[in-house]
Amino acid sequence: NAGVTQTPKFQVLKTGQSMTLQCAQDMNHEYMSWYRQDPGMGLRLIHYSVGAGITDQGEVPNGYNVSRSTTEDFPLRLLSAAPSQTSVYFCASNRQGGNYGYTFGSGTRLTVV
Amino acid sequence: SQQGEEDPQALSIQEGENATMNCSYKTSINNLQWYRQNSGRGLVHLILIRSNEREKHSGRLRVTLDTSKKSSSLLITASRAADTASYFCATEGDSGYSTLTFGKGTMLLVSP
Repeated sequence: NAGVTQTPKFQVLKTGQSMTLQCAQDMNHEYMSWYRQDPGMGLRLIHYSVGAGITDQGEVPNGYNVSRSTTEDFPLRLLSAAPSQTSVYFCASNRQGGNYGYTFGSGTRLTVV
Repeated sequence: SQQGEEDPQALSIQEGENATMNCSYKTSINNLQWYRQNSGRGLVHLILIRSNEREKHSGRLRVTLDTSKKSSSLLITASRAADTASYFCATEGDSGYSTLTFGKGTMLLVSP
């Protein structure tokens, strides 16, 4: 049981490049979400999904796209990377119904130069 | 915007001492959760307290919740060097499906 798996762990992009951060979970959780963490800050929500085919925006969605074609996968796409997107990105999953803790991946550290 | 605000921002204690961290939040919640993050790692769920609960225990952890003051505290008893980490409180709202809103965290250093 791997939990939440994120790839890659590290990435350097040039401004304007695009890329996809991968996230997969094997716990059959309905809910998945993406957060970014900047120095001295807590985590801020980018996008989330309550099930396959259903996504919604969080607090800081600009510059990011998501899709949820399967229960297991929830990729995050950076359309045209900007230095302001330099951050550590975390994917999380949790069970439907509320009052359950979230399971987080180990993160992707992204640097945009 | 940040929902929870932890206090203190940093805490340094000796092994064996107790560590207390506080969290305040702004809106109505379904539950409040505490997470630990070791340097450079992902977040690990520690404990969840529902809005209708006032206190909860898990091993060396004790969490209290005061919804009238919109505040919570996390107590770690008999701290160990391995408890050195950042601790975050996060709230889950009470309207429909709600995601977690995090505070900025407390950095705890436990010295041998």
